[in-house]
Amino acid sequence: EADIYQTPRYLVIGTGKKITLECSQTMGHDKMYWYQQDPGMELHLIHYSYGVNSTEKGDLSSESTVSRIRTEHFPLTLESARPSHTSQYLCASSDPGTNNEQFFGPGTRLTVL
Amino acid sequence: DAKTTQPTSMDCAEGRAANLPCNHSTISGNEYVYWYRQIHSQGPQYIIHGLKNNETNEMASLIITEDRKSSTLILPHATLRDTAVYYCIVRDSGGGADGLTFGKGTHLIIQP
Repeated sequence: EADIYQTPRYLVIGTGKKITLECSQTMGHDKMYWYQQDPGMELHLIHYSYGVNSTEKGDLSSESTVSRIRTEHFPLTLESARPSHTSQYLCASSDPGTNNEQFFGPGTRLTVL
Repeated sequence: DAKTTQPTSMDCAEGRAANLPCNHSTISGNEYVYWYRQIHSQGPQYIIHGLKNNETNEMASLIITEDRKSSTLILPHATLRDTAVYYCIVRDSGGGADGLTFGKGTHLIIQP
């Protein structure tokens, strides 16, 4: 079972609020990822990181930002939430030693009113 | 990542083998075939991957054609808990931190 955690699991918040979605893993993986998935739709990569102090934008443009100060943490922040940010956000990590298999967290379901 | 083509949905009776096809006709020599599944409202779960030889693990078997242009994921004895969306993904296993490119996948429904 993957040791990757996301909090909160569910979040309902008003427009304009600043939010941070937490993601942590205890596997020591250097590579971490954030995906966004609307209900019934495909997952899209929005951010990834090669390791500490590395952050890159993914295939889908996102107004969110990420940071990687520690190997185990990869938080995602929205400075001013809007209804268009309503979605599920999935965090993952991987390691070359396991053929780059990606381990996913349970996701955070965000609703912005 | 090379593009893959999968059926939108499939049904399978509980206890029978579920065979999920995937076409990846533009796969290149250094690209692997990965399979993930996503049970409703959960994060995707890795199932299996292979390069050119058939592979088997405790969850499934992966059969890759000799020309590598298509593959089949086999769940030998499907249970109701196998109902999920199954994604076939082609990617280079070697390098970079690039994420996975998920298509629409196949919605497999196991019927009791």
